[in-house]
Amino acid sequence: KAGVTQTPRYLIKTRGQQVTLSCSPISGHRSVSWYQQTPGQGLQFLFEYFSETQRNKGNFPGRFSGRQFSNSRSEMNVSTLELGDSALYLCASSFSGSTYNEQFFGPGTRLTVL
Amino acid sequence: ILNVEQSPQSLHVQEGDSTNFTCSFPSSNFYALHWYRWETAKSPEALFVMTLNGDEKKKGRISATLNTKEGYSYLYIKGSQPEDSATYLCAPPRDSGNTPLVFGKGTRLSVIA
Repeated sequence: KAGVTQTPRYLIKTRGQQVTLSCSPISGHRSVSWYQQTPGQGLQFLFEYFSETQRNKGNFPGRFSGRQFSNSRSEMNVSTLELGDSALYLCASSFSGSTYNEQFFGPGTRLTVL
Repeated sequence: ILNVEQSPQSLHVQEGDSTNFTCSFPSSNFYALHWYRWETAKSPEALFVMTLNGDEKKKGRISATLNTKEGYSYLYIKGSQPEDSATYLCAPPRDSGNTPLVFGKGTRLSVIA
């Protein structure tokens, strides 16, 4: 079974630009969650999509948005990039997003904002 | 905001030593606790999902226990090997149902050969 894939793996952008990250979940998984990891902060939850709907949202500004397609693939968009957005962005898929489902993580996209 | 504490923050042990670390979480409204292992340059990997007070789960040399009444879980590694070097994360869900996980900052384990 193929794992969770994320593209691109590395990205360098400048302040003010926007970026789109992509995540393909494990086949059959309908829940996709996005996390931001910065040094000293740990994994911070951004949002979760299930059946093309945003079901949960973390405490991030509106510059961070996402969507999910009918094949469960998900994209995350960050507009008007700031230096502080430099981070590793991970997506994770699970069958239903239930409290009791383990999540399967992708390799992440390393975003650097200059 | 759910407060999840992990200790110690980092740990260095010799190959062959056994070790353990702690995850503390609010004992009220407990639903589940997830443990993940995150090796450098790899993706976080699920170890256990624990739900019942007194639960003990095992995977090879790694085991975990859960005390929901006092709000803590221990992760044990028996006979540590260099390949056990990783950051170990615990995460309870924010709430019941389909809610996101709240991750602790992790315990970074280094096993010295």
